[in-house]
Amino acid sequence: GAGVSQTPSNKVTEKGKYVELRCDPISGHTALYWYRQSLGQGPEFLIYFQGTGAADDSGLPNDRFFAVRPEGSVSTLKIQRTERGDSAVYLCASSLGTSGGNTGELFFGEGSRLTVL
Amino acid sequence: AQSVSQHNHHVILSEAASLELGCNYSYGGTVNLFWYVQYPGQHLQLLLKYFSGDPLVKGIKGFEAEFIKSKFSFNLRKPSVQWSDTAEYFCAVNVRGNTPLVFGKGTRLSVIA
Repeated sequence: GAGVSQTPSNKVTEKGKYVELRCDPISGHTALYWYRQSLGQGPEFLIYFQGTGAADDSGLPNDRFFAVRPEGSVSTLKIQRTERGDSAVYLCASSLGTSGGNTGELFFGEGSRLTVL
Repeated sequence: AQSVSQHNHHVILSEAASLELGCNYSYGGTVNLFWYVQYPGQHLQLLLKYFSGDPLVKGIKGFEAEFIKSKFSFNLRKPSVQWSDTAEYFCAVNVRGNTPLVFGKGTRLSVIA
């Protein structure tokens, strides 16, 4: 597609439930990033994929958070046993990747707003 | 670890006033520097970027930023703001290569008529 697409745009769930958030990056972009943005804060890095593999998952807050990108395109962020503190906007971004002089410019989607009641 | 500091949380300006938003980063190596903007209800968009060459970078909508290596700074400027510049502005940095962008907390700009 023309831009990064994220679904759902809004998700309301109850504490303890499981949630999946989906990201469809720009066609041809090999790098995919997940960030989390809480109210009044800047985007906080969670995980980064280069192709199918997680190149850096150091930002995942705990083992309730997991992300996959099985075919090197679409990615799913999975949150188990959600907590109220997980409420935030989850941002996905893609970039051309690390070859060819890429400067790391990211193209962002509109985000998935997660509310945990 | 890298960190990015944006000094102003909320800036309120009248139309036609000049703007300068501060940004400092903590990493001492070779970095790429970015300013992103988020207009109300929209996604983050790139305003401008620096990765090498002329330290004065010009971006879209009349914005510019100056990289001062000795001060670890990358301040954003615009000579005359418009009401449509009302948005949240984020400075970001990454280390050359394949590290993720690290963002500052953002500065909310409100431009009033």
